[in-house]
Amino acid sequence: NAGVTQTPKFQVLKTGQSMTLQCAQDMNHEYMSWYRQDPGMGLRLIHYSVGAGITDQGEVPNGYNVSRSTTEDFPLRLLSAAPSQTSVYFCASSVNRQAGGTFGSGTRLTVV
Amino acid sequence: AQSVTQLGSHVSVSEGALVLLRCNYSSSVPPYLFWYVQYPNQGLQLLLKYTTGATLVKGINGFEAEFKKSETSFHLTKPSAHMSDAAEYFCAVIYLRANSKLTFGKGITLSVRP
Repeated sequence: NAGVTQTPKFQVLKTGQSMTLQCAQDMNHEYMSWYRQDPGMGLRLIHYSVGAGITDQGEVPNGYNVSRSTTEDFPLRLLSAAPSQTSVYFCASSVNRQAGGTFGSGTRLTVV
Repeated sequence: AQSVTQLGSHVSVSEGALVLLRCNYSSSVPPYLFWYVQYPNQGLQLLLKYTTGATLVKGINGFEAEFKKSETSFHLTKPSAHMSDAAEYFCAVIYLRANSKLTFGKGITLSVRP
């Protein structure tokens, strides 16, 4: 019963580097989403997916790409990291949009 | 426009005292409301949620919240705080309309004094 698994847990990037944050769920949930958490700002939605092959932008999508080739996986790509992307990133999944969601344990990303 | 408001950023209570964390939403469209808890260096855990039906919702760890439509509120309470309740608490809302997405408040840090 792994739930939502995020890797890596910590990452340091240099400005301009690219990387992919991995997210996998084993609950057969259709809805998956990515959030970033910054102090005093709560969680802000980056991208979401309502099912395999379908993705859409959230509140703060710039600088991030996603794809959803399978129900289980929803990776988040940083194309060219910037210091403003220093944050804690959470992936979540749920049976549908209104269900709230099960969250992963997060990836703490620092861009220097 | 902000969809959910959590006033203040920090609440401190004594062990055994009442915990009250406030949350207000800002739409006339029916909402689904959630409270999450985040312990240090961990992800978010669902405490409770209101969808339809009974307006008083009971959750885990002795927490409960009451949906008050007239006040557009969903305050979280616990009769007696425990040291283990120290954490950050987030209220979240999604509205029953097309394209609505789960929106989080800024969070409140709860400290519990011995």
